[in-house]
Amino acid sequence: GAVVSQHPSRVICKSGTSVKIECRSLDFQATTMFWYRQFPKQSLMLMATSNEGSKATYEQGVEKDKFLINHASLTLSTLTVTSAHPEDSSFYICSAQPGPNDQPQHFGDGTRLSIL
Amino acid sequence: QKEVEQDPGPLSVPEGAIVSLNCTYSNSAFQYFMWYRQYSRKGPELLMYTYSSGNKEDGRFTAQVDKSSKYISLFIRDSQPSDSATYLCAMSNTGNQFYFGTGTSLTVIP
Repeated sequence: GAVVSQHPSRVICKSGTSVKIECRSLDFQATTMFWYRQFPKQSLMLMATSNEGSKATYEQGVEKDKFLINHASLTLSTLTVTSAHPEDSSFYICSAQPGPNDQPQHFGDGTRLSIL
Repeated sequence: QKEVEQDPGPLSVPEGAIVSLNCTYSNSAFQYFMWYRQYSRKGPELLMYTYSSGNKEDGRFTAQVDKSSKYISLFIRDSQPSDSATYLCAMSNTGNQFYFGTGTSLTVIP
């Protein structure tokens, strides 16, 4: 149980393109979803926390207009990287937390984004 | 001071060895403790989840929490080459804000 599906797993696109990444909880309802960025050989860097039906809470230094997060249902959250540039190239990972708050996060398999 | 400290390694052990991975933390309010395993180019996979102090065992894995020392451990018995991965500790006080260690890279040599 507790499967999180993240799609696509790999994206290569030109600078200026907007890229949408989907995160789905397949066998549970996720009251909270998290989006992380991970650089090579480094730990997870939290970008934002989203709750279904409300605006995402972004971490300090993360541009809200650059990284658009939508948590439209209890099983789906999307991250859109708008007008992506080479410095946005990274490994993006989502996680989902079943309610209530004493449950751990379950992670997707990540999306490797490469902007040319 | 970081909320969570974890030795990044790398740690290299022979197959069959007992592996000990550790994290220390500074916030005494943490009460939820997790260990994740992350293979290269994959998302973290939840291995162990414990609440408050004590031990929890699951197959070859044992998680220990010592809240008095602010110290958590993950033991892997009879380590296998397939255990080669990065291990991340994580903890939370409220259950909706999580703090991760930097991860320890483990290689089990056949």
